[in-house]
Amino acid sequence: SYDLTQPPSVSVSPGQTARITCSGDTLPKQYVHWYQQKPGQAPVLVIYKDNKRPSGIPERFSGSSSGTTVTLTISGVQAEDEADYYCQSADNSATYYVVFGGGTKLTVL
Amino acid sequence: EEQLVESGGGLVQPGGSLRLSCAASGFTFSSFDMNWVRQAPGKGLEWVSYISSDGRAMYYADSLKGRFTISRDNAKNSLYLQLNSLRAEDTAVYYCTRDPNRVYGMDVWGQGTTVTVSS
Repeated sequence: SYDLTQPPSVSVSPGQTARITCSGDTLPKQYVHWYQQKPGQAPVLVIYKDNKRPSGIPERFSGSSSGTTVTLTISGVQAEDEADYYCQSADNSATYYVVFGGGTKLTVL
Repeated sequence: EEQLVESGGGLVQPGGSLRLSCAASGFTFSSFDMNWVRQAPGKGLEWVSYISSDGRAMYYADSLKGRFTISRDNAKNSLYLQLNSLRAEDTAVYYCTRDPNRVYGMDVWGQGTTVTVSS
């Protein structure tokens, strides 16, 4: 198996831009997906295949990748964006092995 | 509406067993790969197991050491997870998730079912 590393917490003021990183040695060869989880709720997919946004996800959510680091960017953060965010990747070669990052708590000040 | 509904969780003693179920509706269940993902209280997400759309391929997290078994019944639109030799550290909310082609992310999640392992 392998690890995905996220910062435990990120804080921003409303209207600012939040950037949450996810690092891992295997990321140049694998897609990364991002999930938002609010307290007491199931996770929701907000970005897939590094930078694709599912239908119904606001345009302020975007994703990018550079080498071993992938970044979830939330532009113009709103109070409702306060949540835990998880990155996820998978070894999709001979088998299938899924790994989640440890999660990042986004606080909107 | 595409929906997944888990059931079967509960309180079980260490060493005991449970069978979790996940009922799918609103989409062609037999066309999609599926996963189980769990979340211990106050902790992050942990992948548990995967099964292909036809049920022929199954993979598990290394940490489970062969105690869990994933299965599906496409005729009943249902996914299952058999949990054996349960330990306190298996206490978690268990989610079933849809995983289109293993590259589009887990795009549908159930609400979860809670498993508590305690004497």
